[in-house]
Amino acid sequence: KAGVTQTPRYLIKTRGQQVTLSCSPISGHRSVSWYQQTPGQGLQFLFEYFSETQRNKGNFPGRFSGRQFSNSRSEMNVSTLELGDSALYLCASSFRAGGADEQYFGPGTRLTVT
Amino acid sequence: DQQVKQNSPSLSVQEGRISILNCDYTNSMFDYFLWYKKYPAEGPTFLISISSIKDKNEDGRFTVFLNKSAKHLSLHIVPSQPGDSAVYFCAASAANYGQNFVFGPGTRLSVLP
Repeated sequence: KAGVTQTPRYLIKTRGQQVTLSCSPISGHRSVSWYQQTPGQGLQFLFEYFSETQRNKGNFPGRFSGRQFSNSRSEMNVSTLELGDSALYLCASSFRAGGADEQYFGPGTRLTVT
Repeated sequence: DQQVKQNSPSLSVQEGRISILNCDYTNSMFDYFLWYKKYPAEGPTFLISISSIKDKNEDGRFTVFLNKSAKHLSLHIVPSQPGDSAVYFCAASAANYGQNFVFGPGTRLSVLP
């Protein structure tokens, strides 16, 4: 069974630009969650999508948005990038909603904002 | 203010000895806790969980202890192996928070051969 894939793996953007990250979950998984990992803050929950609906949202500004498609693939968009958005963005998939102990993480997309 | 704290950024342990990773939380509503392990260039991997109705959960070499009154949990690895060298995150959630998980900043464990 293929794992969670994220594209691109590395990205460099400049302040003010916008970026879209993609996540393909494990086949059959309908829940996709997104996390931001920074050295100082650790892993922070961004949002969870289940069956194309945003189920939960973390404490991030509206510049961070996401969506999920009918094939469960998910995209995350960050608009008007700031230097502080530089981080590793991880997505995780699970079969059921909120199934954190069944979550399988992708390798992440490392975003650098200059 | 961090709701989940891992006050030791790093820990070194000799192979074969016990590794103890600590995690403290401030929100008394948290009732479910997990530990994840993360190797470089890989996503975190679920390790073990515990709900607030228990004070101990064991899975092979890994045991998690929960002290609700102290709002403290710990992960014990016995015996420690070099392959256990990774960053360990603890995470907490509350059922009525929609199961949003709050992660700690992580502790880097180095098991020395």
